[in-house]
Amino acid sequence: NAGVMQNPRHLVRRRGQEARLRCSPMKGHSHVYWYRQLPEEGLKFMVYLQKENIIDESGMPKERFSAEFPKEGPSILRIQQVVRGDSAAYFCASSSTGTGYNEQFFGPGTRLTVL
Amino acid sequence: RKEVEQDPGPFNVPEGATVAFNCTYSNSASQSFFWYRQDCRKEPKLLMSVYSSGNEDGRFTAQLNRASQYISLLIRDSKLSDSATYLCVVPIKAAGNKLTFGGGTRVLVKP
Repeated sequence: NAGVMQNPRHLVRRRGQEARLRCSPMKGHSHVYWYRQLPEEGLKFMVYLQKENIIDESGMPKERFSAEFPKEGPSILRIQQVVRGDSAAYFCASSSTGTGYNEQFFGPGTRLTVL
Repeated sequence: RKEVEQDPGPFNVPEGATVAFNCTYSNSASQSFFWYRQDCRKEPKLLMSVYSSGNEDGRFTAQLNRASQYISLLIRDSKLSDSATYLCVVPIKAAGNKLTFGGGTRVLVKP
């Protein structure tokens, strides 16, 4: 049973370009969470999605960031017009339900570097 | 006050010694708590869950003090492989269980 998969593992972009980060949850999991970890800081919640729906995006920056989790395919975190401050590790986690507590399993992360 | 606060460390621990550190949380309604472990540049992995007063798993013991709103993690007989950052985590049940992370406590176990 494959775990949470993220790709690419490393992404380098120049300022102003777009970054697309992909996350495939564990088999059978329909709840996906995205977290960001800035250098030398803790993880911060960004967005929570369930298939085709954004449930909570309270941690997403108001501009340039968007997320989706289509019926088919991986969840996508999209960052438009990247800036140096977007350089961070972006982790995706999945769980089997969003009620009660079910362990969130984390993917290996995508490390974004903005030049 | 931050929602979840931790001493960043590092805690330098001789191999075989015991180390303990705390995490304070601000939401008195929180019911469950977790310790995750994060190795350098890797993803967080669940170490222990804490639902009532405490939990013990081998060399690791987590305790919860609801009155003072803190949880602690104690590691006995430290191994070199215990070197990592330990993240205190509080799920926000009303928001689909999104996780609120502390900044982490770094532990370095030395020979």
